[in-house]
Amino acid sequence: GAGVSQSPSNKVTEKGKDVELRCDPISGHTALYWYRQSLGQGLEFLIYFQGNSAPDKSGLPSDRFSAERTGGSVSTLTIQRTQQEDSAVYLCASSLSGGKGYTFGSGTRLTVV
Amino acid sequence: GNSVTQMEGPVTLSEEAFLTINCTYTATGYPSLFWYVQYPGEGLQLLLKATKADDKGSNKGFEATYRKETTSFHLEKGSVQVSDSAVYFCALSERLRNDYKLSFGAGTTVTVRA
Repeated sequence: GAGVSQSPSNKVTEKGKDVELRCDPISGHTALYWYRQSLGQGLEFLIYFQGNSAPDKSGLPSDRFSAERTGGSVSTLTIQRTQQEDSAVYLCASSLSGGKGYTFGSGTRLTVV
Repeated sequence: GNSVTQMEGPVTLSEEAFLTINCTYTATGYPSLFWYVQYPGEGLQLLLKATKADDKGSNKGFEATYRKETTSFHLEKGSVQVSDSAVYFCALSERLRNDYKLSFGAGTTVTVRA
């Protein structure tokens, strides 16, 4: 597509429930990243995918967080047993290999009540 | 590890005022430096970047110079407009295999009043 597409744009969930956030990167972009934007704390790197290589999960805050990327394209970020501190905007970005053309999606605003 | 510290907001200005947002960084090696902007209701967009010391990035009237001696990358605009109201993020790149990840500051909210 023309840009990085994320869905849903907003998600309200009850504490303890699982949620799935979706990212559809720009066609041809081999690198995909997830970031979390918490109020007043800037953006925090979560995970990185490049082609068929094993992902870099070094930024995931706990084992309740996981992500996968199917067919080198669409990615899903899953948060299990959500907690209130998981409330944030989750941003996806994609880029060409080498870091060129880094583009962000509009994000998913997650609210855990 | 690498980190970015930027001026806390919020910042409120009148139209045509001069804007400066301070940004300093801590890094090993020589990262690239960026300013991203997030307009209300929109995603993050790259505003400008600089890839080596003394480089000046510029776009839409904004400028920032990569200062290695002071580890700074301050954002400036000489005459702001209402349309510049947004959240501004300073960031640096860290190598990640054949790509890079970005480390961001906390963001500075700027409001420009007519």
